[in-house]
Amino acid sequence: DAGVIQSPRHEVTEMGQEVTLRCKPISGHDYLFWYRQTMMRGLELLIYFNNNVPIDDSGMPEDRFSAKMPNASFSTLKIQPSEPRDSAVYFCASSPLFRDEQFFGPGTRLTVL
Amino acid sequence: GQQLNQSPQSMFIQEGEDVSMNCTSSSIFNTWLWYKQDPGEGPVLLIALYKAGELTSNGRLTAQFGITRKDSFLNISASIPSDVGIYFCAGRRYSGGGADGLTFGKGTHLIIQP
Repeated sequence: DAGVIQSPRHEVTEMGQEVTLRCKPISGHDYLFWYRQTMMRGLELLIYFNNNVPIDDSGMPEDRFSAKMPNASFSTLKIQPSEPRDSAVYFCASSPLFRDEQFFGPGTRLTVL
Repeated sequence: GQQLNQSPQSMFIQEGEDVSMNCTSSSIFNTWLWYKQDPGEGPVLLIALYKAGELTSNGRLTAQFGITRKDSFLNISASIPSDVGIYFCAGRRYSGGGADGLTFGKGTHLIIQP
């Protein structure tokens, strides 16, 4: 059974460019989470969805960040315009209903020059 | 926001030794989870704890959910080289509107010396 799939695995872009990260959760999972990991701040929750509906986006740093989940098998995290301080590893995770175990994807390492 | 204090920050041990690490919080959590992360990979779930006082094992790993709901510990017995990595505790709480996302500790970096 496939785990959480993220693409791309690595992204290098220049400041000001738009960046789109993609995630396919585990089939049948009702929750999808986006996290960001940096050395300074560790793992931080950005936003999460329940049945494709955003529930809590209080962790989204600013308006440059947006996330969507158009259907149960796909989500995107977009940064526009990107800045060097956005450089981090971005993880997507999913979990089934009534269980708190979250299963993480391999992450997207973003470098903004 | 909620903070999880995880300690120690790093551990240098000999192969075969037992390992113990813990997480504490000023807030109550409804669920405690322990993850391991290898370089270049996402965190992998090791153990999930749902009940205060619960003690759960997964092979050489044992974790406990503290009675106060504000702490948890993870023990690894007879460490082996593949145990090297970063271990994270994570907690989830249920607020009035439903469950929140996970709050993570800063991690314990386990290094095993030959």
